[in-house]
Amino acid sequence: GAGVSQSPRYKVAKRGQDVALRCDPISGHVSLFWYQQALGQGPEFLTYFQNEAQLDKSGLPSDRFFAERPEGSVSTLKIQRTQQEDSAVYLCASSFLRGPTDTQYFGPGTRLTVL
Amino acid sequence: AQRVTQPEKLLSVFKGAPVELKCNYSYSGSPELFWYVQYSRQRLQLLLRHISRESIKGFTADLNKGETSFHLKKPFAQEEDSAMYYCALSASGGSYIPTFGRGTSLIVHP
Repeated sequence: GAGVSQSPRYKVAKRGQDVALRCDPISGHVSLFWYQQALGQGPEFLTYFQNEAQLDKSGLPSDRFFAERPEGSVSTLKIQRTQQEDSAVYLCASSFLRGPTDTQYFGPGTRLTVL
Repeated sequence: AQRVTQPEKLLSVFKGAPVELKCNYSYSGSPELFWYVQYSRQRLQLLLRHISRESIKGFTADLNKGETSFHLKKPFAQEEDSAMYYCALSASGGSYIPTFGRGTSLIVHP
């Protein structure tokens, strides 16, 4: 079956623009995670959904970052007034259940470049 | 706070040599530990997790609570093992925000 998909794969934005990144998880997966991966670093947790509920958003770096998953499936990560430090790969992952041992399935990522 | 340290940014070996990718963690409770791998032009994927005590593609990892380590080992490296490897930790119980190390690039030369 289809894995996790993300769009767009690449996004170039001018500083100050708003961007929206989309994640389509594997059908039926309850949990959805967003990560930010800067160059040369590992993924850093941003936020986590269980179905449509955003249970943890402690990793969002500022109030310019907003994520939603209104119907418990597709999720959108929005960044307002982008800054150069927002340049990174944004990864989405989903898992069937909630739990620390659940396997996370990652999407290909969206590479955001802010000029 | 939980932390994962992968001290080596790059590990270069020859085919057939043993490989050990180091991972140390800091967490006061009982952790769940994972190794993820990312091959060239592919997405990040789970390699193995300590709770399963499994061997995947010849790789094994043992959780050493005394040394707070979860090193990834393979006795004989293959060229197709060349990839980025990330160690990750999730806290069992309550919030389980996953924490990743910065990754180690493994290059296996022919």
